[in-house]
Amino acid sequence: AQTVTQSQPEMSVQEAETVTLSCTYDTSESDYYLFWYKQPPSRQMILVIRQEAYKQQNATENRFSVNFQKAAKSFSLKISDSQLGDAAMYFCAYGQGAQKLVFGQGTRLTINP
Amino acid sequence: GAVVSQHPSRVICKSGTSVKIECRSLDFQATTMFWYRQFPKQSLMLMATSNEGSKATYEQGVEKDKFLINHASLTLSTLTVTSAHPEDSSFYICSARTGSEPGELFFGEGSRLTVL
Repeated sequence: AQTVTQSQPEMSVQEAETVTLSCTYDTSESDYYLFWYKQPPSRQMILVIRQEAYKQQNATENRFSVNFQKAAKSFSLKISDSQLGDAAMYFCAYGQGAQKLVFGQGTRLTINP
Repeated sequence: GAVVSQHPSRVICKSGTSVKIECRSLDFQATTMFWYRQFPKQSLMLMATSNEGSKATYEQGVEKDKFLINHASLTLSTLTVTSAHPEDSSFYICSARTGSEPGELFFGEGSRLTVL
């Protein structure tokens, strides 16, 4: 079974600085998707960024980018120019086709003004 | 992005009663919806996969007789917590795929259930 591990329960960063959240996963499949979801205090899950495993190029969405290392099964999220609104729980997730998403334990990100 | 609406957002009930939570896909048809449960400060735990027109597939350890799932149409899935007890108090989240964004799930706003 696929597993997703986020080894950082909590992280903090100064406003305007850069922070990287770690995620590793385990799978024997070659075709899959990886996601980072954000859950702010409202509890609404919001997609931050997605990566297709067959793509070598790292996904980027404005201030958010990933470092996808397929061989190492690593999928970290970098947030540049951190803003107060970035404070939330961040979940890394693994998905394959129409199957369920498997989530990591989450990382609580605090932004210090 | 696609919109998934969940109702009610908060519900308080007495122990022994049943509570129904609705999950609707507002601008797309969802043949499959997923129900998650989230305990405070924890991750999302998949409870079951809801398939339109057929029985739900429950994850190991989830009581299908306590958590009844019905997916009667392509836009509506319901989760009924039967004979609720305080230990059923939790945050329940539904999600669905549109089919046009492979793998991606769209989430409802979640429902906080408190059983007194």
